[in-house]
Amino acid sequence: GAGVSQSPRYKVAKRGQDVALRCDPISGHVSLFWYQQALGQGPEFLTYFQNEAQLDKSGLPSDRFFAERPEGSVSTLKIQRTQQEDSAVYLCASSSKGTGRSNQPQHFGDGTRLSIL
Amino acid sequence: DAKTTQPTSMDCAEGRAANLPCNHSTISGNEYVYWYRQIHSQGPQYIIHGLKNNETNEMASLIITEDRKSSTLILPHATLRDTAVYYCIVRVTYNNNDMRFGAGTRLTVKP
Repeated sequence: GAGVSQSPRYKVAKRGQDVALRCDPISGHVSLFWYQQALGQGPEFLTYFQNEAQLDKSGLPSDRFFAERPEGSVSTLKIQRTQQEDSAVYLCASSSKGTGRSNQPQHFGDGTRLSIL
Repeated sequence: DAKTTQPTSMDCAEGRAANLPCNHSTISGNEYVYWYRQIHSQGPQYIIHGLKNNETNEMASLIITEDRKSSTLILPHATLRDTAVYYCIVRVTYNNNDMRFGAGTRLTVKP
């Protein structure tokens, strides 16, 4: 079946440009997560949506990072005025349950590798 | 701060069982143990999770000690395709954003 789909798979941008990364979660999944993974490290949490509501954005590193999920399905992570330290793999994950006592696992896409020159 | 401690790397012979340990000495009663793995250039893949009982699925077995301070992921017959970074994560289920991956264990399966 269809898993989490992310596009583009690779993105190269010049420092100072804005970028937009797309995530298509598994159909019907309520929860959506964004993570940032630096080279050689584990993924780090950025933000979390339940349907269209952004319930947690505590992991966003600066106000240059913005995420949205306006219809509760597809999500976009936008980075404004990119810096070299933004170079990383950006992972999206979805799960079938929202908040509450759910132990449903998160299912990940293969990520977007962002390189800032 | 990571809630788990894992060895940095391990090797395993193809066809043999791979036993990956994880220490989580500060785990609380409402935290589950999750295992994910990440093959090069792919996103993390869910393997298994458990609370206090041992669990088994088509991919692996999870053995959790009685005091829940450590666990072991067992791949019963490792193949070359099991070469990956394996992450052990403890997570409260009512806090969906609490997935802290740490650095994981790099498992290399050798022919």
